Amino acid sequence: GAGVSQSPRYKVAKRGQDVALRCDPISGHVSLFWYQQALGQGPEFLTYFQNEAQLDKSGLPSDRFFAERPEGSVSTLKIQRTQQEDSAVYLCASSSTFASGGGEQFFGPGTRLTVL
Amino acid sequence: GNSVTQMEGPVTLSEEAFLTINCTYTATGYPSLFWYVQYPGEGLQLLLKATKADDKGSNKGFEATYRKETTSFHLEKGSVQVSDSAVYFCALMGVRGKLIFGQGTELSVKP
Repeated sequence: GAGVSQSPRYKVAKRGQDVALRCDPISGHVSLFWYQQALGQGPEFLTYFQNEAQLDKSGLPSDRFFAERPEGSVSTLKIQRTQQEDSAVYLCASSSTFASGGGEQFFGPGTRLTVL
Repeated sequence: GNSVTQMEGPVTLSEEAFLTINCTYTATGYPSLFWYVQYPGEGLQLLLKATKADDKGSNKGFEATYRKETTSFHLEKGSVQVSDSAVYFCALMGVRGKLIFGQGTELSVKP
């Protein structure tokens, strides 16, 4: 596709369940970012990949959050033992340049996670 | 640390009114600055950017000037349209390309 896609678009989980959120970046984009957007707030950085290498995971809120990009394209954000405070929209963005190049980040539509 | 503060919404204007959404930032050095827009039901889109002091970003009639003296990057448009109704986010680029966003300002334009 032409843009960044994410799946599922909506996910409802019971507290304690594990979830996996998928991001398909624009083909060929080397940089991939994950952000978390709470209701009524701006997105907050979670983690950054350059190709398959996770170079920054400083924004991950706890060790229940894990992200991977094993082949340098598709990425998965996994949340273990979900809690109600994990309810948010999770955004993925990709860029054709290395992060230090400051290239435009193209955002996907997001996955809205609701934890009951 | 780096942070972005923007005026609270919602902002409600009549069509053809002048728009200003204030944005100020705190940062080490002179980071690139951005305005993103999120239309209802859609993902974030880059609206405009400025990469150094005194640069003016512009797109679709919107403008913002990078002011290092006042650490500001206010968004302006001379005549808004109903189709401009959206949530607007000011952001700066931190280390390793991470974007740091303000809390967003919802704009509603009435006909």
